[in-house]
Order: sequence, then structure tokens, then C-alpha cells
Amino acid sequence: DQQVKQNSPSLSVQEGRISILNCDYTNSMFDYFLWYKKYPAEGPTFLISISSIKDKNEDGRFTVFLNKSAKHLSLHIVPSQPGDSAVYFCAARGTGANSKLTFGKGITLSVRP
Amino acid sequence: KAGVTQTPRYLIKTRGQQVTLSCSPISGHRSVSWYQQTPGQGLQFLFEYFSETQRNKGNFPGRFSGRQFSNSRSEMNVSTLELGDSALYLCASSSLTGATGNTIYFGEGSWLTVV
Repeated sequence: DQQVKQNSPSLSVQEGRISILNCDYTNSMFDYFLWYKKYPAEGPTFLISISSIKDKNEDGRFTVFLNKSAKHLSLHIVPSQPGDSAVYFCAARGTGANSKLTFGKGITLSVRP
Repeated sequence: KAGVTQTPRYLIKTRGQQVTLSCSPISGHRSVSWYQQTPGQGLQFLFEYFSETQRNKGNFPGRFSGRQFSNSRSEMNVSTLELGDSALYLCASSSLTGATGNTIYFGEGSWLTVV
């Protein structure tokens, strides 16, 4: 049972435009959500997170939106840069038995110059 | 400050052998967790340790085990290696365990190839 879903395996955008990466979850016990960026043969790098008590968190070019009723979150990257090309993972966690990070399958973002 | 350090970065083992991977968390972090990444299954949780105690365990066979030392450093061991154990093994650290809002930081990973 996949509790965190990133349904689009890839996304290609033009440099300077907005990249929108989507993520859905099913476990209502999740209350903290994180986005990681990953290059091949490297560990995931933390990008941005959001608590379930918020609906938006912004950090520079990265903004994460959370819609709790829809169990949906999205990562917006504006403006997109070629260096943003990587695999992006959405992850979620709760507390206690749900405290481990549950990851989506990832989405490959390609930013075209 | 230094990030999460994993050793070795790359290793090749033969089926049936056992392997030990090491992880040093970020200074001051007391929680260490391990994840396995494979092309087919993505990133999957193995186990988490906090203050030398296993706090959470994923759905992996008993061949996968771990431990944490008093200095928060952690090791994971895989015995009787199988070809399917070939993967990137990632260690992550955080300052607390199970706390909402607690960010988890990852190391570079250890690439294990079983032949």
C-alpha cells in the first residue's frame, strides 16, 4: 500500500518558468511533510518542509503548499534553473509508529536551458 | 558543522557473505535511521535508533540488523547476502525521535553490490 504517491514520473520545464511537483498521501496520521532533492549516487538533500498546521511555506525560490482536506501537497520552484534538474522526493511522517519517513517514488525534473 | 558520514561509500560482496555499514550522525543528533533505495522499490525505511534503542522497524527480514553506540554512531549489518540486497543504503540523522517538525538529514549513502 503506497501511502505517499508521486503520480508523474517526470516533468520537463523551460528555464525561468515555474515547476510544479505534486504529491498525494493517504495516511491521515501524517502531520509533517518534506521535500528532498536527489542526484544519482548521492544522498537526498533536504529542501523544504511543512507542518500540517500550515498551508504554505516559502523558502527562496521554493514554496510548498499543503491541502489537508485533499491530502495533497505541491512544490513550486520559481524561477526554474537548469541546476534544479534532479529527482525530487516527497516524504511524510507522523509521530510514534508513524515517525519514520515514508517516501514517494520520486519525480525527475528536467529544466531546459 | 559536518554532515552525516557513511562508510564505506562503495563495496562489492558475494552472495552468502555478510556486510557491516557505518554511520556517524550530525554532531548533537541522537536519532539515526537507515533506508534502502532500489530502482524498483524506491526509498524504504529499515529501522531507527535513538539513545542506543531501536525505536521503529520497517518490513525487512531478520537478516537486516542494526545498533547504535553511546556516541550516537550507528552500524547496520546484513547477513547471508542475496542478490536482491544490492542497493544504496542511506543513513539519516535528526535531533529528536518521532517529533513533528523534526527534519531528517541524509548521508551520501553506501552502494552495496552483491554478486
